[in-house]
Amino acid sequence: QKEVEQNSGPLSVPEGAIASLNCTYSDRGSQSFFWYRQYSGKSPELIMFIYSNGDKEDGRFTAQLNKASQYVSLLIRDSQPSDSATYLCAVGGRGGSYIPTFGRGTSLIVHP
Amino acid sequence: DAGVTQSPTHLIKTRGQQVTLRCSPISGHKSVSWYQQVLGQGPQFIFQYYEKEERGRGNFPDRFSARQFPNYSSELNVNALLLGDSALYLCASSLDTVAPAFFGQGTRLTVV
Repeated sequence: QKEVEQNSGPLSVPEGAIASLNCTYSDRGSQSFFWYRQYSGKSPELIMFIYSNGDKEDGRFTAQLNKASQYVSLLIRDSQPSDSATYLCAVGGRGGSYIPTFGRGTSLIVHP
Repeated sequence: DAGVTQSPTHLIKTRGQQVTLRCSPISGHKSVSWYQQVLGQGPQFIFQYYEKEERGRGNFPDRFSARQFPNYSSELNVNALLLGDSALYLCASSLDTVAPAFFGQGTRLTVV
């Protein structure tokens, strides 16, 4: 049974700060890693994906992957109140199967 | 271009009834995936279809079935509804079989 663990939060950060969201996964053979943002009452939207160890940056977002530690994180720089949402970590399987397993999500609150 | 569209947006059914949910993917996308999201949890994978063939099935009972049509739209059917089937059902489309890139707004199913 593949598991993806996230702290449900809420994680509260002040506007302008760096928000750090973390995710661990159980299947060592996982090959693809995704972050989705879900506003309350809305559907998820893909914001980042990463396949290789290290960092991947896209604007204010940085995804970090450490396969040895089975750990993936999302950093949001210069957090804005509009970033307040639930962030879902999803981990794709091995052997060409990209069907992801989602974590339960971390609620982020950015307060002015 | 229209995004992923799902219908209906809300639905109330009685235990034991059957329901059909519909999804139209983004034009040009050949892969459709279905997810169930219970409040407070991440989406749980139900089915993936690519080029009208089932490419993956999650851990759901046989009461759940789906199909994809020649125009790549899809239907999810659930028979013998249970109270526990109450959830947000999400459809996502992608160009190929990678992780869901774009989600529809979802269908909120309530079973009473």
